[in-house]
Amino acid sequence: QVQLQESGPGLVKPSQTLSLACTVSGASISSGDYYWNWIRQSPGKGLEWIGYLYYGGNTFYNPSLKNRISISVDTSGNHFSLMLISVTAADTAVYYCASRRVDSSGIDAFDIWGQGTMVIVSS
Amino acid sequence: DIQMTQSPSSLSASVGDRVTITCQASQDIRNYLNWYQQKPGKAPKLLIYDASNLETGVPSRFSGSGSGTDFSFTISSLQPEDFATYYCQQYNNLFTFGPGTKVDIK
Repeated sequence: QVQLQESGPGLVKPSQTLSLACTVSGASISSGDYYWNWIRQSPGKGLEWIGYLYYGGNTFYNPSLKNRISISVDTSGNHFSLMLISVTAADTAVYYCASRRVDSSGIDAFDIWGQGTMVIVSS
Repeated sequence: DIQMTQSPSSLSASVGDRVTITCQASQDIRNYLNWYQQKPGKAPKLLIYDASNLETGVPSRFSGSGSGTDFSFTISSLQPEDFATYYCQQYNNLFTFGPGTKVDIK
């Protein structure tokens, strides 16, 4: 049973960097079975896909955030991380990590989600 | 960018009612559409993938249909635990979610 758990500060000052980690249990991040994603949810923008990391450290980002985000992996700790630079109040949201399952059955979906962590951008 | 719309944005229904939500994509997304359920304070939960396939463990009262730009999601007989917000999500080109449909108690 794959489980995901987000961690990180709940308050970030404007113009600073938001850093979150997602610890994965029940699966190996380096196995290639899943894509590892960050998704956020805010009242203003709803659910927004941020980006993913895949086997071998390959990444793909939402073009609207591409210049500000970085997703990296720590295989020894079986976790992956999100960094979002130059944050503003518009980045205030609940941030989720989620696995994306893609297989021969035809599924391509975010099947397992962490519980989410609220991040507020405020001075 | 592919935009997703849903209607209605909210609805009130009673236990046992048949509920249908529609989702429209701004361009052809074939059948590359998923449906999720979200309850307050919780993460979304996958219900339907590939427009019409039921995720393992999801009750059969949930169903989905459609292709191209027009999709629908139906709960055949609403149960108390189904009061929640429902989202569609396309994966034809990147990933975008609809704005959600809140189902509450009449």
